[in-house]
Amino acid sequence: KAGVTQTPRYLIKTRGQQVTLSCSPISGHRSVSWYQQTPGQGLQFLFEYFSETQRNKGNFPGRFSGRQFSNSRSEMNVSTLELGDSALYLCASSLSWTGGALGFEAFFGQGTRLTVV
Amino acid sequence: GQQVMQIPQYQHVQEGEDFTTYCNSSTTLSNIQWYKQRPGGHPVFLIQLVKSGEVKKQKRLTFQFGEAKKNSSLHITATQTTDVGTYFCGGATNKLIFGTGTLLAVQP
Repeated sequence: KAGVTQTPRYLIKTRGQQVTLSCSPISGHRSVSWYQQTPGQGLQFLFEYFSETQRNKGNFPGRFSGRQFSNSRSEMNVSTLELGDSALYLCASSLSWTGGALGFEAFFGQGTRLTVV
Repeated sequence: GQQVMQIPQYQHVQEGEDFTTYCNSSTTLSNIQWYKQRPGGHPVFLIQLVKSGEVKKQKRLTFQFGEAKKNSSLHITATQTTDVGTYFCGGATNKLIFGTGTLLAVQP
């Protein structure tokens, strides 16, 4: 079955611009989480969506936002880009909400490499 | 807020040596997951531990979950060049938070 698809794979933007990243989860998965990966910082949690509702949010400024559609596809938006936003943005899909006792395996996409110049 | 720390950040070993990475959470976890990210790739799920004191093995890899469900470890016996990559632990409470990862380099 098809994996998690993220588009675009690479993006170059100028400071002050905004950007929208897209994530199509594995068919049947209802949870989508977003992570920012930078060297030395590991995977920093941005937010998680489940059934079109934001379930959790990380410690990122309000410039980072997201949404999930009825088909579970998700988009992440970053407004007023800063140089420090340059990173690999990874989306992960799960059958259900990643929190809680059961825990569901997260399947990661290849990521979108965002460069802000 | 919930934090997950991982040590060491980097380890270089000779092929055949053992390797261990440790994961510590600031809060009690409902479960812990381990992922491996090859250079240039994306994280791939290895295993999930749920029970206090749980130990699981996958060939040369041994995973442990602490009694207090706040720490975990991954031990690789007799490393091979194919083990190269970054190993992340993910601690779950109401969300899945990852540690900073341990980059493993294996010299042939």
